[in-house]
Formats: sequence, C-alpha cells, structure tokens
Amino acid sequence: DVKVTQSSRYLVKRTGEKVFLECVQDMDHENMFWYRQDPGLGLRLIYFSYDVKMKEKGDIPEGYSVSREKKERFSLILESASTNQTSMYLCASKGTGTPYEQYFGPGTRLTVT
Amino acid sequence: GQNIDQPTEMTATEGAIVQINCTYQTSGFNGLFWYQQHAGEAPTFLSYNVLDGLEEKGRFSSFLSRSKGYSYLLLKELQMKDSASYLCAVRKGGANNLFFGTGTRLTVIP
Repeated sequence: DVKVTQSSRYLVKRTGEKVFLECVQDMDHENMFWYRQDPGLGLRLIYFSYDVKMKEKGDIPEGYSVSREKKERFSLILESASTNQTSMYLCASKGTGTPYEQYFGPGTRLTVT
Repeated sequence: GQNIDQPTEMTATEGAIVQINCTYQTSGFNGLFWYQQHAGEAPTFLSYNVLDGLEEKGRFSSFLSRSKGYSYLLLKELQMKDSASYLCAVRKGGANNLFFGTGTRLTVIP
C-alpha cells in the first residue's frame, strides 16, 4: 500500500512566522502535490512537482514556495504566515502512467493566529 | 479554472440507494475521478472513468457521459459508514494534476 505521511496533524503558528510542512511518500512516485482544503472551496492545488528539483505552480501559489531535494520528500513553505493561510493542507503523490489516482496524506490543520 | 459542480449536501437512509451527480466544463478532458473523504481524514480513491459508461465496483458504481459533461456516483445498500464527503475530480490532457469540485457531503440516517 502507498503510504503518504505528513509531519504534523495540527500546527499553530503566529502571523509572520516561517512555516514548513513536510510530506514523505514511500512508493517512489515521481509526482507530488500540495493542496489546501477550505469549506465551500474544495481542494485547490498550490504547487506540484514532477521530479526532484522540479516544480510547477498550481492555482493558488501566492504566499507559498516548495522544495523537492529528494524524490520521496516534498516540502511546502509559508514564507511569512498570514491568518488567511489558516487551512487544512493535504499532500498527495502519484506515479507516472496508470493508475492515475493520487494518494493523499492525512493532512495538516494549520492555524495562524 | 474548471467548472465542476456537485450538490453541496445530500441525506439518504440506511439501506437505500443514492446518486451523487457531477457536471463539468473543461477542454481536453481525459478522465474523471471520485474520492471519498471522511471527516478529518485523507481523501481515498473510489473510481476512475475515462470512457463513457458505467463502472461497477461492489456497492459503488460510477457513470460517465463525455458528450454531456456529466458523471454520477451511485452508492447502493447504504451503510452508516458511507457518511462522508464525495469529491469529483477531472483530469485534463496528459496533466498530472487534478481539478476538484467542492465535494458533496452525504449523511446516512437510520
């Protein structure tokens, strides 16, 4: 079974802090994704990576950056956390070709005060 | 962005059948996914349709009509544990990323 893990289930940070969210997958998947999930807005893609050191912006990249130094690890960075970044953050991974589904981690609920 | 529409909430009775609809408008359509997400948990994959027709998997079935931009997820013999959000997601072209609808929260009542 594919396992995607995220470093924290719950996180509370102050406005202006730099925040790191870590995601690790154990299936040698090439593709990894960061989403945020908000009520009424669904899952929105922040960034994704299709290979080590490669990244592409998703629909809402502003205020975020990412890092992929190793294939199994994909980090989301909030350079200066703001209250509107309070959300559930979900990481996912996917191999190339079939099957096409993404496998999700358990999520990190981030609160910025 | 992509226009993906699902009802926000639905309620159904244990043992019954429920159909959750999803409509989409997107160019380069190349497949539609359904995910289940229990409260506070990760989404889990249910089904994938790329061709028209019905795909059956136990109590769950998913249907796709590409010409109508329409899909549905059919849940039979509802159980209390089926209370969850159901997310519809569209894949475009050869893209690795998916575009998600806002999800349908299903409540199963006794």
